[in-house]
Amino acid sequence: AQSVTQLDSQVPVFEEAPVELRCNYSSSVSVYLFWYVQYPNQGLQLLLKYLSGSTLVKGINGFEAEFNKSQTSFHLRKPSVHISDTAEYFCAVSDAGNMLTFGGGTRLMVKP
Amino acid sequence: EAGVVQSPRYKIIEKKQPVAFWCNPISGHNTLYWYLQNLGQGPELLIRYENEEAVDDSQLPKDRFSAERLKGVDSTLKIQPAELGDSAVYLCASSLEPPGSLTDTQYFGPGTRLTVL
Repeated sequence: AQSVTQLDSQVPVFEEAPVELRCNYSSSVSVYLFWYVQYPNQGLQLLLKYLSGSTLVKGINGFEAEFNKSQTSFHLRKPSVHISDTAEYFCAVSDAGNMLTFGGGTRLMVKP
Repeated sequence: EAGVVQSPRYKIIEKKQPVAFWCNPISGHNTLYWYLQNLGQGPELLIRYENEEAVDDSQLPKDRFSAERLKGVDSTLKIQPAELGDSAVYLCASSLEPPGSLTDTQYFGPGTRLTVL
């Protein structure tokens, strides 16, 4: 079975500051990893995904994530956040042939 | 290109009433998913379709929930009768390929927020 743990339920940060949202997973096989963003009253939008290859993955809106197999982590980072980045962020893992399993989400709150 | 369409966006009903949600996936996407998202939590899979066939419905509470995808395109999720604990957001997603392939990225609709009074 696979699982995802997002260690922080809320992350407050000031505008233009850097941010890291943490994600750890457990799985017995190779995995695909995803970060989704959910703005208020909207569905989930794919930010980025890791399937194979380079462990540093760049996504939309200036976000990037790094796959660390030894630490079973896939932390999301942005060097400078904007007010518009305020949203809920979900990390998800998929085994080949299995479904997406989501973490509980991290609410990013960007303050002016 | 249009995204995943869901309706209604909001629904308020009294307990024991029936309710139905509709989803139209992205054109050409063969795989369709229904998820349940409780407040403050990540989505949880209810059922997955490959074309018109339900290939994973192990998490669907079959005593009150049902789903169909008759022509392998749009889908309907029904609850009858609804209970207070069914209040949540019901998300539909679609993907071009089944899970496990490199193009299995899921695209989500805006969801239907159900409130059961």
